Amino acid sequence: DSGVTQTPKHLITATGQRVTLRCSPRSGDLSVYWYQQSLDQGLQFLIQYYNGEERAKGNILERFSAQQFPDLHSELNLSSLELGDSALYFCASSDGTGRMDTQYFGPGTRLTVL
Amino acid sequence: DQQVKQNSPSLSVQEGRISILNCDYTNSMFDYFLWYKKYPAEGPTFLISISSIKDKNEDGRFTVFLNKSAKHLSLHIVPSQPGDSAVYFCAASYYSGGGADGLTFGKGTHLIIQP
Repeated sequence: DSGVTQTPKHLITATGQRVTLRCSPRSGDLSVYWYQQSLDQGLQFLIQYYNGEERAKGNILERFSAQQFPDLHSELNLSSLELGDSALYFCASSDGTGRMDTQYFGPGTRLTVL
Repeated sequence: DQQVKQNSPSLSVQEGRISILNCDYTNSMFDYFLWYKKYPAEGPTFLISISSIKDKNEDGRFTVFLNKSAKHLSLHIVPSQPGDSAVYFCAASYYSGGGADGLTFGKGTHLIIQP
């Protein structure tokens, strides 16, 4: 158990809908990262937050957004969903003290768009 | 364009022997490399890392080797055990001025340890 929790575990929705994925980092960690794992693309970095502020952006679509709240939990919002958004979404956290601190991953949320 | 490549989707090794997993990268700015292990229905778990100022890092049965000139790294597991059966991901990062950033992952190698 990494100490990172993600809810829900599974989510099934329809095209055009909007969903919110939630992540609670390990106790004491200030950085949260979101990754998408799809069958053809592998694990792709989406976005990083550090202590409530956006720090780095990866391959995140404009239809996707994220935020980190004062209690350090984070939410990833996916809107106008398309079939191709079906994937595993992972959250990771790190203490954020240095560039080489270890990222600890949650168990993921499996999103299925029908 | 895949900046981190794991060209073997799967690898089968006998229990007790050495497992060698390979990874190539194309971005010369990468200076920190990691290996993660993933079991089904779980998130990736950190295994071992190496900074570009080193060419080898050991942790128990796991050793990572880095060849910067060839842009190649490898993970050695000795001896291989049944619990090592998992998907192994190679990942890399570089300093973009903002502290710890997102990792760039390879597509993974499924290691199967045969009894």
